[in-house]
Amino acid sequence: ELKVEQNPLFLSMQEGKNYTIYCNYSTTSDRLYWYRQDPGKSLESLFVLLSNGAVKQEGRLMASLDTKARLSTLHITAAVHDLSATYFCAVDDTDKLIFGTGTRLQVFP
Amino acid sequence: SQTIHQWPATLVQPVGSPLSLECTVEGTSNPNLYWYRQAAGRGLQLLFYSVGIGQISSEVPQNLSASRPQDRQFILSSKKLLLSDSGFYLCAWSLGGFTEAFFGQGTRLTVV
Repeated sequence: ELKVEQNPLFLSMQEGKNYTIYCNYSTTSDRLYWYRQDPGKSLESLFVLLSNGAVKQEGRLMASLDTKARLSTLHITAAVHDLSATYFCAVDDTDKLIFGTGTRLQVFP
Repeated sequence: SQTIHQWPATLVQPVGSPLSLECTVEGTSNPNLYWYRQAAGRGLQLLFYSVGIGQISSEVPQNLSASRPQDRQFILSSKKLLLSDSGFYLCAWSLGGFTEAFFGQGTRLTVV
């Protein structure tokens, strides 16, 4: 059974600081996705990573994938309040999309 | 462009009542379709997924069922709701892994 684990589960960080969210998974999949969820809302796609070594960047967020280590990271640079949300990684397992536990990010002044 | 519609947005149902949530996708053919449930403050639990008409895979034993009567229609049902069925239900579609899944706006179900 595919397991997808994220850490930390909760992250409180000051504006301007950097931090990394980690996503570990237990299968050999090379297709991983990152999503953002605002409170009470649906999920919004952030990044699609489809091969080992893939790196994608959008604004203050950068995602990478290491399929050999079965690890993806979401790096936050110089956090701002607007980034406060819950972030999920998801792994494709032959037509099933399995989500991680989520990381709730809170950015304060 | 592709769009996904999910309704209703909010639902309050008594214990023991039936349930029917509908999801439709426009602008694509033969999508993979998914139903997820999210308990308050928790992650997403995959309930059902479908790779084609009439093909349903169940991930979690429960009193829910799913059907796909048409290529772009996915329905989540229950004959008798339990209190534990409360949650945020999300429908999603994808093209089989090489693109991300796109989510509907969700249905917040409260069973009372």
